[in-house]
Amino acid sequence: DGGITQSPKYLFRKEGQNVTLSCEQNLNHDAMYWYRQDPGQGLRLIYYSQIVNDFQKGDIAEGYSVSREKKESFPLTVTSAQKNPTAFYLCASSSQTGTGNTIYFGEGSWLTVV
Amino acid sequence: AQSVTQLDSQVPVFEEAPVELRCNYSSSVSVYLFWYVQYPNQGLQLLLKYLSGSTLVKGINGFEAEFNKSQTSFHLRKPSVHISDTAEYFCAVSRKGGSYIPTFGRGTSLIVHP
Repeated sequence: DGGITQSPKYLFRKEGQNVTLSCEQNLNHDAMYWYRQDPGQGLRLIYYSQIVNDFQKGDIAEGYSVSREKKESFPLTVTSAQKNPTAFYLCASSSQTGTGNTIYFGEGSWLTVV
Repeated sequence: AQSVTQLDSQVPVFEEAPVELRCNYSSSVSVYLFWYVQYPNQGLQLLLKYLSGSTLVKGINGFEAEFNKSQTSFHLRKPSVHISDTAEYFCAVSRKGGSYIPTFGRGTSLIVHP
């Protein structure tokens, strides 16, 4: 079945460590996104990519990094510079940005700093 | 810039009662509008969207929404809710034209009591 796969579902990180969240899609979508979700704050855009080898910062990019070397993959690295990384992270994709296209979401990854 | 306000953070309702989840948006240009649903510990999935044409939009699971341009609203309704409708609901808005990324509201938690 087509969809978006995020891994791992749960991840624990010690302070000072970088961690990478995986996101793979087999929908042949050009655009991919990373959102952070905190209780009561809705979804906030971290990074997005409209095409391979290109990506743009979203509203809260500080402390995060991404790459887009393949169309189907858009991993997110949470660096030690991110002061409050404990959150639910959602990867998403759409055929392209804009034009009213539906955004499809993965099942999410929980990151907890211990 | 575009913004979206979900007026209620939580809506409790009894099973088989009607429900309305309110969404207002702000934009200086024409917009696309979306409602997504998130079940616990999962990603979001599209309920319905308004792109153009009829202002009454029907979606999955018996939900519908009405676009009101003069009041800049896109309220979600269901005539009779079920326990299984308990979830978080997100309204999103995206400017027409160009490659704009949708902006999400903070979400409304619908709690259906037996």
